[in-house]
Amino acid sequence: QKEVEQDPGPLSVPEGAIVSLNCTYSNSAFQYFMWYRQYSRKGPELLMYTYSSGNKEDGRFTAQVDKSSKYISLFIRDSQPSDSATYLCAMSDDKIIFGKGTRLHILP
Amino acid sequence: DARVTQTPRHKVTEMGQEVTMRCQPILGHNTVFWYRQTMMQGLELLAYFRNRAPLDDSGMPKDRFSAEMPDATLATLKIQPSEPRDSAVYFCASGLVMDQPQHFGDGTRLSIL
Repeated sequence: QKEVEQDPGPLSVPEGAIVSLNCTYSNSAFQYFMWYRQYSRKGPELLMYTYSSGNKEDGRFTAQVDKSSKYISLFIRDSQPSDSATYLCAMSDDKIIFGKGTRLHILP
Repeated sequence: DARVTQTPRHKVTEMGQEVTMRCQPILGHNTVFWYRQTMMQGLELLAYFRNRAPLDDSGMPKDRFSAEMPDATLATLKIQPSEPRDSAVYFCASGLVMDQPQHFGDGTRLSIL
């Protein structure tokens, strides 16, 4: 079993819909959880960053961590075409492990 | 906004040639990472440095890849000799500590013919 699992997609949703992106992991030692957004031909950029379990909200984005289930989620409300990108989850104990990313398309 | 700068942005060369990729980390960041990204494997960690000292390069093919940090403002990744299977996007990232978020450059897109 890989340390971090993420559905590659693509995931296509209409503009304005709520998007749910998810990752599962196997290492219970992970303490920090991150979501990165990567546009085509660009480097990943940090979107959300949480420590341990719980929720964190930033504008239209909400990150959730459920350590008991080893499951993290990113929700995007009122999705926009500009949200079309690849979203990578990442988590760390002593170093960061990345998921392979989910490609998201928001349809106008 | 402080940014990680990578050069060149694109490189096309023939098999067997030496390739050198450069990275200028964000000023003040003392950890530097090199990643390779492909569709199949995603982001793979090749090597990382703390305070310019190499900590782990177990992700790199040792016979052809080498990573150095000659000073705090420059990290290099070299491939010699290059092979077609090295074609990928190579990213440099920098940060303050190992387990905290990293800031990425925009990558070097490498094609080996």
